[in-house]
Amino acid sequence: NAGVTQTPKFRVLKTGQSMTLLCAQDMNHEYMYWYRQDPGMGLRLIHYSVGEGTTAKGEVPDGYNVSRLKKQNFLLGLESAAPSQTSVYFCASSTTWTGVFNSPLHFGNGTRLTVT
Amino acid sequence: TQLLEQSPQFLSIQEGENLTVYCNSSSVFSSLQWYRQEPGEGPVLLVTVVTGGEVKKLKRLTFQFGDARKDSSLHITAAQPGDTGLYLCACGGATNKLIFGTGTLLAVQP
Repeated sequence: NAGVTQTPKFRVLKTGQSMTLLCAQDMNHEYMYWYRQDPGMGLRLIHYSVGEGTTAKGEVPDGYNVSRLKKQNFLLGLESAAPSQTSVYFCASSTTWTGVFNSPLHFGNGTRLTVT
Repeated sequence: TQLLEQSPQFLSIQEGENLTVYCNSSSVFSSLQWYRQEPGEGPVLLVTVVTGGEVKKLKRLTFQFGDARKDSSLHITAAQPGDTGLYLCACGGATNKLIFGTGTLLAVQP
């Protein structure tokens, strides 16, 4: 049982390049999330999905797009990378809406992205 | 905007020492989760506390939820190197999204 798998683990981009981060979960969770983690700022929610085919903006959505075409996959795209997007990105999933029903978030191991 | 402040930011101790880290909110929260994140990995849930005044124990870790539901603490007894990591608290915010604190980075030296 792999849980939440993120690819790639590391990536270096030049300003203006694009890329897609992949997240896959095998727990049949309805809810999926993308967070970024920066020193001194904790985890901040970028986008989330409450089910297949749905997406919504989180706290820091600018510069990112997402898609959830299949229940098990949640993709995060950067269309034109900027140095401010240098961060560690985490995907997570949960059975119910974690902010209300206290269900735990299951995290992947992150993607470390550097934009030069 | 609800804020979660954690203290201390950094803590370096020797194996066998006791420690306490704190999580304080600017607003009342309905529940609070504690996560531990080891280097190179994602956070893993340790515990959820729901009731004001609640105390939960997980082996050498004791979690307490303040009576006023605006603060929580994590006490570790006889710390071990395996306890090293980033400790994060998180609560449901006003918009019902989970808000994370900035974390306490703990290093336990053998």
